[in-house]
Formats: sequence, structure tokens, C-alpha cells
Amino acid sequence: SQQGEEDPQALSIQEGENATMNCSYKTSINNLQWYRQNSGRGLVHLILIRSNEREKHSGRLRVTLDTSKKSSSLLITASRAADTASYFCATEGRLTSGSRLTFGEGTQLTVNP
Amino acid sequence: NAGVTQTPKFQVLKTGQSMTLQCAQDMNHEYMSWYRQDPGMGLRLIHYSVGAGITDQGEVPNGYNVSRSTTEDFPLRLLSAAPSQTSVYFCASSPLLAGGLNEQFFGPGTRLTVL
Repeated sequence: SQQGEEDPQALSIQEGENATMNCSYKTSINNLQWYRQNSGRGLVHLILIRSNEREKHSGRLRVTLDTSKKSSSLLITASRAADTASYFCATEGRLTSGSRLTFGEGTQLTVNP
Repeated sequence: NAGVTQTPKFQVLKTGQSMTLQCAQDMNHEYMSWYRQDPGMGLRLIHYSVGAGITDQGEVPNGYNVSRSTTEDFPLRLLSAAPSQTSVYFCASSPLLAGGLNEQFFGPGTRLTVL
């Protein structure tokens, strides 16, 4: 079963606005990662946040992690049309046997020019 | 570096046919994995490997075989293709570091249709 679930499934905003996507998961994790996928392409890694971190920044991206609520959020500030893509969270369970990432179903972000 | 490469980009099979999806990486990564992506389902892990000679099953391994004879290559074999295996297949790799799995490098994908 899917460990991560993104919310909302789809988000449409105007250029310049901020976009917030949320990810919830079920079990304790080692880390949580966010990926971006442009239509018809492979996934590209955006940011990794470890279970002992609460917030991380990378350029216009801000990721938060609340392990007590088992949730994470990805904020994209001052969005651009080029940010239009699907965004996925991925988790590695702390107690999972083996080394495996579990992906959520993604949020489709559309940024209108 | 070419990164992670996958061949073919597109493939159409008939039910019952077999084929191998190729994946190669030139970054000397120990960890390699295969995912399938279906509409609205996100990515699901098929098989993974933590080094040459070592493979393990993921979430949806049935109908697929893998082997890892070298660090660079991680082919995925469909034994007898079924329409339910119509999907986009992604290969990924990463170094194995302490503290868990890190950034995964993805290939461009193989779009497979089984008739």
C-alpha cells in the first residue's frame, strides 16, 4: 500500500502566487524526499529532509516535516509557468525490511501565465 | 556522465511475449531500482538491488525478473507479458550512504504497451 499520500491531487494557480502541497504518511520514516516530474519525463529530485529535521530550504522551495503528525509540506514561492509539473513525496520507512522508497500518487500543479 | 539510461523508449508487445528492459548507469551507484507508473497510482517499486549479485523484491514483483551481474546494469525481464503490465517503467539509481536512501537519479522511462 502507498505510504505517502499527497494533497491536493491537483492545484491550479496564477504565476507569482505560492503553491503548497502536502504529504501524509503512515509509519515512522528515515527521511522524506520530494520529486518533480514534467509530463512524459523521468522524476527529478528536489529536496530531502531527514526525520530529525523540521524545515529545509532550497531556492524557492521550502519543505517542512512534522513527524508527530506524520506529514510534510512543500511550498513553492513566487511560482512560474515552468513550475507546472507533478510533484511526488517519497518516504523510506524506518522499520521497513530492505532499502525501499514508497511514492505517493502526486499533486499535479498548473501555473497559469 | 550519461546518468541513467533506459532502452527502449517505447515498446509494444503481444500477450505472452517476453522482453527485457535495459537500464544502465555510469555513476558507480550501488543501489538500483525499477518502478512502474500507472495513471493516478504514483510509482510502485518492482525490484531493487543494493549491489552486484544482490536483488530483492519490491511492492509489485510478480511477472518480472531482475539480475545484477555488474554495478552498471540492471535489466528488467518480463517473462510472459500481460495487458496489466501496460505501464511506464522507470529505472533509478543512487549511492548507498549511511542514514538511509538518498537522492534517486531516474532514467527517462520506457513506455510499454501490451496488446
